[in-house]
Amino acid sequence: DVKVTQSSRYLVKRTGEKVFLECVQDMDHENMFWYRQDPGLGLRLIYFSYDVKMKEKGDIPEGYSVSREKKERFSLILESASTSQTSMYLCASSFPTVPAFFGQGTRLTVV
Amino acid sequence: QKEVEQNSGPLSVPEGAIASLNCTYSDRGSQSFFWYRQYSGKSPELIMSIYSNGDKEDGRFTAQLNKASQYVSLLIRDSQPSDSATYLCAVRLNFGNEKLTFGTGTRLTIIP
Repeated sequence: DVKVTQSSRYLVKRTGEKVFLECVQDMDHENMFWYRQDPGLGLRLIYFSYDVKMKEKGDIPEGYSVSREKKERFSLILESASTSQTSMYLCASSFPTVPAFFGQGTRLTVV
Repeated sequence: QKEVEQNSGPLSVPEGAIASLNCTYSDRGSQSFFWYRQYSGKSPELIMSIYSNGDKEDGRFTAQLNKASQYVSLLIRDSQPSDSATYLCAVRLNFGNEKLTFGTGTRLTIIP
């Protein structure tokens, strides 16, 4: 079974903090994704990566950056957390032509 | 126009009936289509994928794709209370572009 693991299930951070969300997959998938999910807005793509050190902006990259130093790990970085970034964050991975599988999600609250 | 549109619901269906969920997409170049189920507080899980026009059946689930009409649907036969969830439609442009775009989801409630 594909396993996508996110480092935290729940996270509370203060405004202005630098926040790291980690995601690890164990299926040697080439593609990895970070989404955020908000009520009424659905899943919105923040960034995705199709190879080590390669990344592409999604629909809402502002205020975020990513890092992929190893194939299995994809990190989402909030450079200076704001209350508008309070959300559910979902990591996913896939091979090309294969559907994406999601991690369990990280519910981030910025206070 | 949104890239992927779904009726947000809620859609209420009696137990044992057929639930019909619909999705339209705007990009004619889209090649791959997926249905995910998401229970409250959980992450989405893949239930169906479809790549060519027509119907694809898997147990009680049938996905239907009509590329000419830019329309994809999911039918759930013999609906069960455990089918109550939000169903997300996702679309991928083509095999060289792995970006997955999601609709906002349809909330389905099965009434016992």
